[in-house]
Amino acid sequence: EAQVTQNPRYLITVTGKKLTVTCSQNMNHEYMSWYRQDPGLGLRQIYYSMNVEVTDKGDVPEGYKVSRKEKRNFPLILESPSPNQTSLYFCASRGDRANTGELFFGEGSRLTVL
Amino acid sequence: DAKTTQPNSMESNEEEPVHLPCNHSTISGTDYIHWYRQLPSQGPEYVIHGLTSNVNNRMASLAIAEDRKSSTLILHRATLRDAAVYYCILRSNSNSGYALNFGKGTSLLVTP
Repeated sequence: EAQVTQNPRYLITVTGKKLTVTCSQNMNHEYMSWYRQDPGLGLRQIYYSMNVEVTDKGDVPEGYKVSRKEKRNFPLILESPSPNQTSLYFCASRGDRANTGELFFGEGSRLTVL
Repeated sequence: DAKTTQPNSMESNEEEPVHLPCNHSTISGTDYIHWYRQLPSQGPEYVIHGLTSNVNNRMASLAIAEDRKSSTLILHRATLRDAAVYYCILRSNSNSGYALNFGKGTSLLVTP
């Protein structure tokens, strides 16, 4: 089954403790991205990647890092999480090169930073 | 991407058609009209997209006005599972950021 898989689905952590949210897709997609969803602010893009070793900032990249060493994986790294990074995170991927193709989203990772 | 305007919420009875409107008066010639929906506790899900002509797929139909300043997502027979937030989004090949501008969407309530 074609899917985007995120882990963990739920995480409670403390300020400053580094964490990684993994994202993996099995559709051989070149494009992957990370969004965060907050009440009243909607979904906002954090980082995106057009292909292996190619990443770029989205609208809200501060406090986050990403890497794209393999086509299928696009982890989101919070080096020193802060409470304002408490949010619902979604990873997405797209197969075609055009900017107008269908995005496939994961089921989300709910992160709480105390 | 150009801005879209949608009603905050709509309500429908089960098994009846639902017409979800979207206004995009500043749409450019290269903007595609996309619809996504987000079911409770799930990630957004692609529904349909189009450029100029009306489009049909297994989930819905998309009716696009002749001047492309508005469009309507049509669910032919609403089910309880269709209760979700529906987002109308414009996408252009010229958008270097590649981010989807989801906006607030329309929250669809389906009653039995």
